[in-house]
Amino acid sequence: DAKTTQPTSMDCAEGRAANLPCNHSTISGNEYVYWYRQIHSQGPQYIIHGLKNNETNEMASLIITEDRKSSTLILPHATLRDTAVYYCIVRNVGTDKLIFGTGTRLQVFP
Amino acid sequence: EAEVAQSPRYKITEKSQAVAFWCDPISGHATLYWYRQILGQGPELLVQFQDESVVDDSQLPKDRFSAERLKGVDSTLKIQPAELGDSAMYLCASSPVRDTQYFGPGTRLTVL
Repeated sequence: DAKTTQPTSMDCAEGRAANLPCNHSTISGNEYVYWYRQIHSQGPQYIIHGLKNNETNEMASLIITEDRKSSTLILPHATLRDTAVYYCIVRNVGTDKLIFGTGTRLQVFP
Repeated sequence: EAEVAQSPRYKITEKSQAVAFWCDPISGHATLYWYRQILGQGPELLVQFQDESVVDDSQLPKDRFSAERLKGVDSTLKIQPAELGDSAMYLCASSPVRDTQYFGPGTRLTVL
């Protein structure tokens, strides 16, 4: 499975867009990019995933570069409740395995 | 919205005691996973079930950990005997085959 690289921590002002980057330079053609987040002392929450195209749902947008070597998760209007650790994970289409790294700790401040 | 259920939410035990955690996956999800998360790290897969069969238990410490999913629905993870290093969050997740995993709230284990 491809490794991902994320910044250790980020800050964002409430109401502004939070842009969380992820590098996955060794991703292969049959691997999805998944994003989860984990609020303190809770289980990871699924946010969004994509293969090649950009994706949007009610929680976030996922922008994947054309070469698929990096992606950005966008929370369009961050709130205090978005403070969490965000995990970017690459999952092979043929397996169910998720390999978590240490993620990005996003702090949203008033 | 359907959720993965886990119990207990918190467990404190003394070392050398036995502990058990229970997980009820989202209805219809054939695949069930148990993860362990040590403080400050991401979750690590311990065991994966497809229906009632184990498909991956390569990271399960089999000398003290066991997991079962007898009827292919709910599952139990047991530790016997517990050691100090087992203190962690134990997470259960479920998914349809080859699809998105959804996690439960976890069980936080403290071994004294």
